[in-house]
Amino acid sequence: AQSVTQPDIHITVSEGASLELRCNYSYGATPYLFWYVQSPGQGLQLLLKYFSGDTLVQGIKGFEAEFKRSQSSFNLRKPSVHWSDAAEYFCAVASGGSYIPTFGRGTSLIVHP
Amino acid sequence: DVKVTQSSRYLVKRTGEKVFLECVQDMDHENMFWYRQDPGLGLRLIYFSYDVKMKEKGDIPEGYSVSREKKERFSLILESASTNQTSMYLCASTRPGLAGDTQETQYFGPGTRLLVL
Repeated sequence: AQSVTQPDIHITVSEGASLELRCNYSYGATPYLFWYVQSPGQGLQLLLKYFSGDTLVQGIKGFEAEFKRSQSSFNLRKPSVHWSDAAEYFCAVASGGSYIPTFGRGTSLIVHP
Repeated sequence: DVKVTQSSRYLVKRTGEKVFLECVQDMDHENMFWYRQDPGLGLRLIYFSYDVKMKEKGDIPEGYSVSREKKERFSLILESASTNQTSMYLCASTRPGLAGDTQETQYFGPGTRLLVL
């Protein structure tokens, strides 16, 4: 069965600093990987996704993620964090057989001014 | 733009009440999903539906049922609400097909925060 681990429950960064949120997955074949963001009181919004091809994926709001098969990771990065990036971030994995993604437990990003 | 709407943003119900949570999508998506979200647990799948009148159990279906009478509408029903069903409920929809073929992703509604007293 597929699974996702987000090792960090909370991450605190200063505004303008770089950011990396970790995501590790467990799945035998090539997974389909997603990062979603949830602002307070809102639903989830897709930041980016990986299905195949270039392992460095660009998303919205200046985010990117890199798929590393050897490490079973799909970490989310942003070079300079803005206060508006404070939110909950979810990594998700889906298999090729059917579209039912499994979500990680989320990482809460706190941005200090 | 895909729009997924949920009938209520906030609900307060009493233990034992029957609760209906409604979700409507306007993009003719075949697949619809209900999740609950709890702090530290992420999103857990309750039920999903891949067609009208079709439903499949997710990871935590106990205490819930669903109804899909029309393609655009997917209802989550708590037959007898209990305090441990206090949570945020999220609805999502997507087109069918293998994720790799179609590169489909889920579109989420804003969520319903349910408090059961």
